[in-house]
Amino acid sequence: EDQVTQSPEALRLQEGESSSLNCSYTVSGLRGLFWYRQDPGKGPEFLFTLYSAGEEKEKERLKATLTKKESFLHITAPKPEDSATYLCAVQASGWTGGFKTIFGAGTRLFVKA
Amino acid sequence: DSGVTQTPKHLITATGQRVTLRCSPRSGDLSVYWYQQSLDQGLQFLIQYYNGEERAKGNILERFSAQQFPDLHSELNLSSLELGDSALYFCASSKGGTGELFFGEGSRLTVL
Repeated sequence: EDQVTQSPEALRLQEGESSSLNCSYTVSGLRGLFWYRQDPGKGPEFLFTLYSAGEEKEKERLKATLTKKESFLHITAPKPEDSATYLCAVQASGWTGGFKTIFGAGTRLFVKA
Repeated sequence: DSGVTQTPKHLITATGQRVTLRCSPRSGDLSVYWYQQSLDQGLQFLIQYYNGEERAKGNILERFSAQQFPDLHSELNLSSLELGDSALYFCASSKGGTGELFFGEGSRLTVL
């Protein structure tokens, strides 16, 4: 069964304290891995797409990397405004040619000033 | 603003009732996805439509159904509602079948 597991469930950092979030996946017919940010009461906001092992993407203090079995979201010198839930998602081949996008449970990040 | 519009934002109803949630995708997007998010389940994929046709299905209950209309807006129908159906329901859209989804603000359903 297709599955996405994120760890840790929650992460508390001091401002400026760098860390990484993990996303491991088992899926058949992987088409891509995605990272999203979700603020409380809001819809998820797209951050990155990764398609193949070894690929890296960066945006401000965030850097996403991909291996054959997992992805990491590295947060460098985080600020309080980076506090949010970070969701990992994978897209797999669905039926009748469609594509399911399956989300992990997320990592809740708290950054204290 | 993602460009995806969902209505209503909040809905309170009773068990056994039926509700319809509506979604207007971003201009030009042909794919619409529906997700359910509850505290203990995370974002659960329900169903995907592409240009009016059902393309992928997740663990959508038989009590739930959806459709995408010729103008590309979509509706999610939830019937015989149970307490456990209380959740945030998100609609997302994309141009094709990419995983770069643009989410609406969600419809919060409370079943009493």
